[in-house]
Amino acid sequence: EVQLVESGGGLVQPGGSLRLSCAASGFIFRGYFMSWVRQAPGKGLEWLANIKQDGSVRYNVDSVKGRFTISRDNAKNSLYLQMNSLRAEDTAVYYCVRVNEQQLVSFDYWGQGTLVTVSS
Amino acid sequence: DIQMTQTPASVSASVGDRVTITCRASEGIGSWLAWYQQKPGKAPRLLIYAASSLQSGVPSRFSGSGSGTDFTLTISSLQPEDFAIYYCQQPNSFPITFGQGTRLEIK
Repeated sequence: EVQLVESGGGLVQPGGSLRLSCAASGFIFRGYFMSWVRQAPGKGLEWLANIKQDGSVRYNVDSVKGRFTISRDNAKNSLYLQMNSLRAEDTAVYYCVRVNEQQLVSFDYWGQGTLVTVSS
Repeated sequence: DIQMTQTPASVSASVGDRVTITCRASEGIGSWLAWYQQKPGKAPRLLIYAASSLQSGVPSRFSGSGSGTDFTLTISSLQPEDFAIYYCQQPNSFPITFGQGTRLEIK
């Protein structure tokens, strides 16, 4: 069974940093693109970043470029999101997502999400 | 960026009804479109990929169609568990974008 379990969320002050982790199991992690998606309270879904299987290629949405960095450790079956210079508008539930290239890059498995609250 | 516009924003329907949700892309995306269902407090769930392919385990009352800029998600006979928010998504080009969502409510 595919499982994605996020951790690392919490309350952080504006300007602060946080590192989210996602532990993957039930599939060959190194064989998949991975992604982070967030959802602000009561709002829609916002894609943040993708990372290729070997970590060599990464894509970011402009709103987090230069502040958020996606990375992975295939030996630990883990995905990460380093978030710096956090702002109030970064408050959201952050989802770790598996990307299925065989299904036209659909997001086929999602974690349960971890809540990040940016507030003083 | 490719903008994804869903209509309607919300719809009320009854169990057994047929419901159609529309998604329009601001430029052509071929068949690079997916549909997701999200229930309160839960992560989104993939329903349809490649515009019309049903994800494994998704009931056959869900179907998708379209290509280019205009797409539809149809639920042929609503069940109580289908009341949720539905999102379309284009993974054709970066940044990947989602529609704003359509809330499906019980009439």
